[in-house]
Amino acid sequence: EDQVTQSPEALRLQEGESSSLNCSYTVSGLRGLFWYRQDPGKGPEFLFTLYSAGEEKEKERLKATLTKKESFLHITAPKPEDSATYLCAVREIQGGSEKLVFGKGMKLTVNP
Amino acid sequence: DVKVTQSSRYLVKRTGEKVFLECVQDMDHENMFWYRQDPGLGLRLIYFSYDVKMKEKGDIPEGYSVSREKKERFSLILESASTNQTSMYLCASSFAGAIYNEQFFGPGTRLTVL
Repeated sequence: EDQVTQSPEALRLQEGESSSLNCSYTVSGLRGLFWYRQDPGKGPEFLFTLYSAGEEKEKERLKATLTKKESFLHITAPKPEDSATYLCAVREIQGGSEKLVFGKGMKLTVNP
Repeated sequence: DVKVTQSSRYLVKRTGEKVFLECVQDMDHENMFWYRQDPGLGLRLIYFSYDVKMKEKGDIPEGYSVSREKKERFSLILESASTNQTSMYLCASSFAGAIYNEQFFGPGTRLTVL
């Protein structure tokens, strides 16, 4: 069973059509949740870190929120340049050691 | 502009060859990582290093080794390449403190093993 699940796997939006990406997790000792953006042929680029339920972070058209079981990446009035794969990762403490678990990613396409 | 660079963007090797992937960061980061990324599997950690000459196994270390002789450089070695090691390899670095702080990734090396 996956510890970090991203949904949907792919999403196609029209420019200006707001939506949300979901990242749900089942880890027990959460020590941070990260969002990354990855463009084709490139490495992931850091977007946000969230540490506690209720926390929110914003950057341009993106807003990340965190609850005890999931995180949402809200995209407001997206533009074609927001097209990318968005990765969620969870940092947990397991047996005294730290671990980072990535989701499989969510491919967003924004059509003009 | 901070950077993580990887020695090759594309690499084609034959089964059984020894393969070296090099990664260099210019941010004076203590922590460095090697991941592989495969469709449907996401990013998986191969090895990481929290200091010069120090290394720790990640989730999938089998068939790989690493070397960190200088702070800025972290090498991934495939001792005898196999076709199931065809993948995108990503190097990353982060500041000291918690190992998994915000990570800075390189552009990746797409390795094909024939």
